[in-house]
Amino acid sequence: GIQVEQSPPDLILQEGANSTLRCNFSDSVNNLQWFHQNPWGQLINLFYIPSGTKQNGRLSATTVATERYSLLYISSSQTTDSGVYFCVPSNQAGTALIFGKGTTLSVSS
Amino acid sequence: GAVVSQHPSRVICKSGTSVKIECRSLDFQATTMFWYRQFPKQSLMLMATSNEGSKATYEQGVEKDKFLINHASLTLSTLTVTSAHPEDSSFYICSARDLTSGYHEQYFGPGTRLTVT
Repeated sequence: GIQVEQSPPDLILQEGANSTLRCNFSDSVNNLQWFHQNPWGQLINLFYIPSGTKQNGRLSATTVATERYSLLYISSSQTTDSGVYFCVPSNQAGTALIFGKGTTLSVSS
Repeated sequence: GAVVSQHPSRVICKSGTSVKIECRSLDFQATTMFWYRQFPKQSLMLMATSNEGSKATYEQGVEKDKFLINHASLTLSTLTVTSAHPEDSSFYICSARDLTSGYHEQYFGPGTRLTVT
């Protein structure tokens, strides 16, 4: 399967700061999703982004499929942004998503 | 976006009993659902793939006789933990793929926290 490396593994921010989370993957993909798992365990879909750039409020994501990486930008971070961010690529339609370790973000006020 | 629900959200049971967890896709049909388990401070681990009308496909190391999966309709899959033991205590999460979206985007339920005493 596709190997995923997310960096940094842990990130601590003050409220209002900006951050960039990176995801490198080992193979070509036709599906890539970013999720946020909040402290209560709920996985929230952030972006479906196998290529290109998307923005949703304070969050945006860019995937450069030819170079096998994706970036998640968080601007003006808030305490509610705390949790674990997972980048999950796949190259087989219809199969389960395999999760890596993610990036744990802590935002303090 | 599509919505997936799980019931119950939290359950405590005694060792040796069985527990059933329901996963429903509320506003779309899911021919395939997935079951994951997550231990504290760890990532999600895929347990099985549940296909509507057929037997589930289990990942290596997951006991099919202990974790019974039934996917009887296009909107409902159930996971039954049989003869539960304390080591089965975990956070169980289901997901479903909305094939009609054209993107095959996967949506997750809110999870079920199981505690076996």
